[in-house]
Amino acid sequence: DGGITQSPKYLFRKEGQNVTLSCEQNLNHDAMYWYRQDPGQGLRLIYYSQIVNDFQKGDIAEGYSVSREKKESFPLTVTSAQKNPTAFYLCASSVQREARFGGELFFGEGSRLTVL
Amino acid sequence: GDSVTQMEGPVTLSEEAFLTINCTYTATGYPSLFWYVQYPGEGLQLLLKATKADDKGSNKGFEATYRKETTSFHLEKGSVQVSDSAVYFCAPTGGGNKLTFGTGTQLKVEL
Repeated sequence: DGGITQSPKYLFRKEGQNVTLSCEQNLNHDAMYWYRQDPGQGLRLIYYSQIVNDFQKGDIAEGYSVSREKKESFPLTVTSAQKNPTAFYLCASSVQREARFGGELFFGEGSRLTVL
Repeated sequence: GDSVTQMEGPVTLSEEAFLTINCTYTATGYPSLFWYVQYPGEGLQLLLKATKADDKGSNKGFEATYRKETTSFHLEKGSVQVSDSAVYFCAPTGGGNKLTFGTGTQLKVEL
């Protein structure tokens, strides 16, 4: 079945360590996104990519990095510079390159990162 | 900038009760409007959408009408079920490529 796969589902990290969250989609979508979800704050956009080898910062990009070497893959690295990394991370994709054209976002099931 | 205001939860209802979750927004241009639902431990999935004024989106008994004059997109359902318990997010498209999500409204439906 087509969809978005995020891994790992749960991840624990010690302070000062970088960690990479995987996001793979087989929907042939051009655009991919990373969101962070914290209780009571909704979803906040970290990075997005409209095409291979290109990506843009979202609202809270500091302390994160991404790459888009393949259409299907958009991994997110949470670096040691991220001050408060414990959160639920959601990856999404869409057919249209621009959300304003009414394109649906398809979400993965999320990765929960806990910093010990 | 773009913003969304959703009613705060949790909203607790008995089964078969009527549901309204209010959503108002500010956005540049002429946004499309979405409601997403998140069941426990899962990602979000699209519930319904409307792309122009006076359009009504509907799915699974839920409805929402795009009201441009009041910049609102309130979610309604005539008779909720226990299986509707989830968090609901209102999301207008912002300028360019960004969706702006509301803080989410948790719905709890009890027998």
